[in-house]
Amino acid sequence: GAVVSQHPSWVICKSGTSVKIECRSLDFQATTMFWYRQFPKQSLMLMATSNEGSKATYEQGVEKDKFLINHASLTLSTLTVTSAHPEDSSFYICSARANQVRETNYGYTFGSGTRLTVV
Amino acid sequence: SQKIEQNSEALNIQEGKTATLTCNYTNYSPAYLQWYRQDPGRGPVFLLLIRENEKEKRKERLKVTFDTTLKQSLFHITASQPADSATYLCALDDYKLSFGAGTTVTVRA
Repeated sequence: GAVVSQHPSWVICKSGTSVKIECRSLDFQATTMFWYRQFPKQSLMLMATSNEGSKATYEQGVEKDKFLINHASLTLSTLTVTSAHPEDSSFYICSARANQVRETNYGYTFGSGTRLTVV
Repeated sequence: SQKIEQNSEALNIQEGKTATLTCNYTNYSPAYLQWYRQDPGRGPVFLLLIRENEKEKRKERLKVTFDTTLKQSLFHITASQPADSATYLCALDDYKLSFGAGTTVTVRA
């Protein structure tokens, strides 16, 4: 089945530094990947849609200069949290859909998530 | 934007019983509605997808219904087991997913 690998699984960084999170599709090509953020006891909130070879599309209220997304290949998307602050501490999750044809019985494949703690 | 409500934050049931979860949405009906399972500290795992022209879909002990008139989906776990304990998320698929807050199911042995 489709597998999405996300690294690191957790990271602690100092306030003001930048952190990069990688999301790889291991056995399929992902033209589109998605980045979510999840706060404790809350649902996943879509941050941006990452398209291979083009600029990401950010959801309303998400700062594109703070959350830099790069999708340079069909198997890799990265999210960089720049100048991180304690309020950026959250669970970040990426996802991709293996089959770009929507007439399937398969949903999206998610990475295992990255727990970011900014101190 | 869509408002997605899942009936309750938590559901506690006895092993062997059927758990029924509700997902309601407010605006247009999506072409697809999906259900995911999420364990603590993990990403969601896809369970079932149902199209707007389908009434019911089954997979092993899982069953999902989709009523576009009521703007509601029901998710059933039959013959529940302690291993089914997790948070279940409803998601509307409109070329990107919008999630409900989830219902945490705890199955007691």
